[in-house]
Amino acid sequence: DSGVTQTPKHLITATGQRVTLRCSPRSGDLSVYWYQQSLDQGLQFLIQYYNGEERAKGNILERFSAQQFPDLHSELNLSSLELGDSALYFCASSVGTSGGRDTQYFGPGTRLTVL
Amino acid sequence: QQQVKQSPQSLIVQKGGISIINCAYENTAFDYFPWYQQFPGKGPALLIAIRPDVSEKKEGRFTISFNKSAKQFSLHIMDSQPGDSATYFCAASIEATGANNLFFGTGTRLTVIP
Repeated sequence: DSGVTQTPKHLITATGQRVTLRCSPRSGDLSVYWYQQSLDQGLQFLIQYYNGEERAKGNILERFSAQQFPDLHSELNLSSLELGDSALYFCASSVGTSGGRDTQYFGPGTRLTVL
Repeated sequence: QQQVKQSPQSLIVQKGGISIINCAYENTAFDYFPWYQQFPGKGPALLIAIRPDVSEKKEGRFTISFNKSAKQFSLHIMDSQPGDSATYFCAASIEATGANNLFFGTGTRLTVIP
């Protein structure tokens, strides 16, 4: 158990809908990362937050957004869903220090299925 | 564009054998190279990591070899066991900026036959 929790575990929805994925980082971790894992794209970095502020952005679609709250949990919002958004979405957390020694711990993931 | 290239895609090894997975990168700014292990239905878990100031790091049966000039690194699993059967991902990041997001390879599915 990595200490990172994600809810829900599974999510099935229809095209055009909007969903919210939730992540609680490990105690003491200030950084949260979101990754998407799909069969054709592999593990892709979406976005990183550090102590409430966006720190880095990857290949995140404009239909997707995220935020990190004062209690450090994070939510990933996916809107106008398309079939191709079906994937595993992982949250990872780390202490968030720069310059080294910053291990990312991954949660169990949320499996999103868009029908 | 895949920033980290990984091979092979799949690997079958006999119990007790050596499993070798290779990765290559282009961005010389990468300064942290972890390997993650993922079992079905689970999130990736850090296995071992290396920084470019050393050429090799060993932890138990797992060894990373790093060739900075060739921009390549590899994972060696000695005395492979059936319990090692999983998908392995190499990754790279630029820790110096504080944006420690990981660029992953495409993964290698390892099967260790008893």
